Amino acid sequence: ETGVTQTPRHLVMGMTNKKSLKCEQHLGHNAMYWYKQSAKKPLELMFVYNFKEQTENNSVPSRFSPECPNSSHLFLHLHTLQPEDSALYLCASSLLAGGGTDTQYFGPGTRLTVL
Amino acid sequence: AQKVTQAQTEISVVEKEDVTLDCVYETRDTTYYLFWYKQPPSGELVFLIRRNSFDEQNEISGRYSWNFQKSTSSFNFTITASQVVDSAVYFCALSVVGSQGNLIFGKGTKLSVKP
Repeated sequence: ETGVTQTPRHLVMGMTNKKSLKCEQHLGHNAMYWYKQSAKKPLELMFVYNFKEQTENNSVPSRFSPECPNSSHLFLHLHTLQPEDSALYLCASSLLAGGGTDTQYFGPGTRLTVL
Repeated sequence: AQKVTQAQTEISVVEKEDVTLDCVYETRDTTYYLFWYKQPPSGELVFLIRRNSFDEQNEISGRYSWNFQKSTSSFNFTITASQVVDSAVYFCALSVVGSQGNLIFGKGTKLSVKP
């Protein structure tokens, strides 16, 4: 099993749908992250979880709702999204959320298209 | 505030040429970490190197080498004898201690290596 996995790899949803993105890490890490990568902006950090506790919310709209049931799993629940939310959503993990002392390892991403 | 600038948006070379990707960073912190990631067309960000601010030694790993110069706030990446498989988007990133794992990414440099 590769280090960080994400499902689904591709997702198309309407603005009224509710869907969830899933991330799982097999590296024994304690910190997990959601990033958004869109064509017009650099990679943007969305959320940080350290030992299942959310430690960073980078002013993300409430239509994105993260969930971290344990240190190995991270979800991103989506509802009433906008077309501008279409992007590649990347999950990452690191041993700790210690500001660069631990390298972040990324999953393959979920390509989201909102119609 | 922290910032990473990758001035080269796209670079195209012919196989076996050497190529250098530039990265300039800004931070007022004295303790920080610099990273390079590779993003092939599949989307996954692949970790290449991490460097802390107190270690200015250049590093070589196979065909890859990195030149860290604090005097010019640069952390450049050179690929020697490039290959088609090196075609990808390369990101430079910065993290400071205590930032809860917040990686500040540059906009990336798209490298195309033609046979």
